[in-house]
Formats: sequence, C-alpha cells, structure tokens
Amino acid sequence: GAVVSQHPSRVICKSGTSVKIECRSLDFQATTMFWYRQFPKQSLMLMATSNEGSKATYEQGVEKDKFLINHASLTLSTLTVTSAHPEDSSFYICSARRTGPLNTEAFFGQGTRLTVV
Amino acid sequence: KQEVTQIPAALSVPEGENLVLNCSFTDSAIYNLQWFRQDPGKGLTSLLLIQSSQREQTSGRLNASLDKSSGRSTLYIAASQPGDSATYLCAGTMFSGGYNKLIFGAGTRLAVHP
Repeated sequence: GAVVSQHPSRVICKSGTSVKIECRSLDFQATTMFWYRQFPKQSLMLMATSNEGSKATYEQGVEKDKFLINHASLTLSTLTVTSAHPEDSSFYICSARRTGPLNTEAFFGQGTRLTVV
Repeated sequence: KQEVTQIPAALSVPEGENLVLNCSFTDSAIYNLQWFRQDPGKGLTSLLLIQSSQREQTSGRLNASLDKSSGRSTLYIAASQPGDSATYLCAGTMFSGGYNKLIFGAGTRLAVHP
C-alpha cells in the first residue's frame, strides 16, 4: 500500500518553543493532507485540512495561529505548533489520499508524540 | 452532527475465537467505510476499505461488511491470535466543506490472550 511518512516520531520541547512536524507521501502525490490530534484512549480529532498551494482549512475550535500548516508541494505538508504549552502535549497524526477519484483509501503516518515540558 | 459509534469499547478474548466488532453511523452522507488498526503509540494501518457500491471486503482472516441503509458496518476477525491485539477504528468518509473527510469512531480495544 501507499506510504505516508511522518517525522519526528517523538519530540520533547520546552514551553514557549515551536515544534515542526513533517508529513510526506512517499510514493504518490497528495493534493490534500489531513492533520489529526489524538488524546489518550480517545479517537482521532480532525484539526485541519492541508491544501497544496493554498491556505489550510481549520476545523471549528482549532486555532490557526497556534497550529500553522504549510503544504508547499504535492508530497509534503508541515504542522508547526507555535509557542507550545503543556496542554498541547498529544499525539499528532497526518493522513493523505491519492489524488484522484473520490473513493480512494486514506493512508496515515506513524504519528508524532509531542510532550511539552 | 456526524457520529460514528463503535461497540464494544473493549474486548478480551482467548486465542482462537471468532470476533465481531461493530460500527454504526448516523449520517447517510457517509459514502464509504474504512477499518484501521492502531497499535499503542503508533499510527494507523488501513485494513479494509468498503466503498458505497460494495457490501463487503475480505483480506485474509478479516472480513468487513457495510449496510448503508441501516448505517452499520462490522469487522469480522476469524481465528483470533495474540498478534491481533490492538485498537480497531472504523471511519466513514463524507464530503464536507469541499473535502473528503474521515469521521472516526472511538475504537474497540482488543486483547487476545494465549
């Protein structure tokens, strides 16, 4: 199946610093990528939809100035958590679909465990 | 509001049992259903995708069905093994805000013991 690579898999940062997470589709082009957040023992919450060459679309309640998304190419999207605080500690996962018909399978990265201390 | 519900939330069984995991959704706009596996601290692995025109999909010991009229999908795991222990998530795809979005259930945490 298609591969989506996410980096880093784990990061610890100090409060007030910014952290960048990368999501790459390795063997297909993805016009659209999705960023999710997952709290312990809970399901995935869609944060935003990343669009190549244009602004991301954020879900209600997600601060766009806090979670900066850039989708500079058809294979790379980045999520930057700015001025991180302990409450931003979570598991972040990206997803991509192949560019094409509607009924395409979604593939996920390995996830990034962010811990803000 | 779009909702996807999974039952049971947790399941512990002895090795060898056949299992049924249930997923229900309230929005008829969901047009396909995807089942994923998530191991602790890891990302999601796609197991099966059932498109709206299909009723079931099979992969090895896994079989997933979809009944859009009743808003239900089931994942059947035959002859369960300890390696099947993981959280199983179902997600429906719907077109919303100009994009195909996945709406996730909370998952079923499965433990298969030897």
